[in-house]
Amino acid sequence: EAGVVQSPRYKIIEKKQPVAFWCNPISGHNTLYWYRQNLGQGPELLIRYENEEAVDDSQLPKDRFSAERLKGVDSTLKIQPAELGDSAVYLCASSLTRGIDTQYFGPGTRLTVL
Amino acid sequence: GESVGLHLPTLSVQEGDNSIINCAYSNSASDYFIWYKQESGKGPQFIIDIRSNMDKRQGQRVTVLLNKTVKHLSLQIAATQPGDSAVYFCAVLQKNQGGKLIFGQGTELSVKP
Repeated sequence: EAGVVQSPRYKIIEKKQPVAFWCNPISGHNTLYWYRQNLGQGPELLIRYENEEAVDDSQLPKDRFSAERLKGVDSTLKIQPAELGDSAVYLCASSLTRGIDTQYFGPGTRLTVL
Repeated sequence: GESVGLHLPTLSVQEGDNSIINCAYSNSASDYFIWYKQESGKGPQFIIDIRSNMDKRQGQRVTVLLNKTVKHLSLQIAATQPGDSAVYFCAVLQKNQGGKLIFGQGTELSVKP
């Protein structure tokens, strides 16, 4: 069974540029999560989707971050414009359903903003 | 809210010894606890989990202990191997929060040959 797929794996951009990350969850997983992981820290949830509905986006900086999950499968996370402080690893995870279901993580996208 | 903390940011053990990584949480309503392993350049990998109605759970070479009285859990790795070198995170979930995991800061385990 394929795991969570993310692309790109690495991205280097100048500040004020836009950037987008893509995630393909494990087949059949209804719940999708985007996390941000700063260096030396644990992941922090940005947004959670149940199928195509964003049900928890309280931690998403909505002035510059946006996300979508069309058709309840793949998801895209966008930052526009990027700031220096956005440099981090952006992780996507998926689980069968919400609640007590194991979350499986992708390899992440390492973003560097110069 | 919930906060999760690990007792030690780094741990060094000799190959073949047992490793113990500790974690503390703050919210007594937390009901699901997970340990993840993260190798360099990879996403967190599920190791083992435990629900609040249990106090011990064993997997292959790993054991998780949960003490709800003092809000503490630990991960024990038996016969630690070089391949166990990684950062280990505990994560805590409250069922009524719909699956929001709160992660600790991680303990980096180094295994000396």
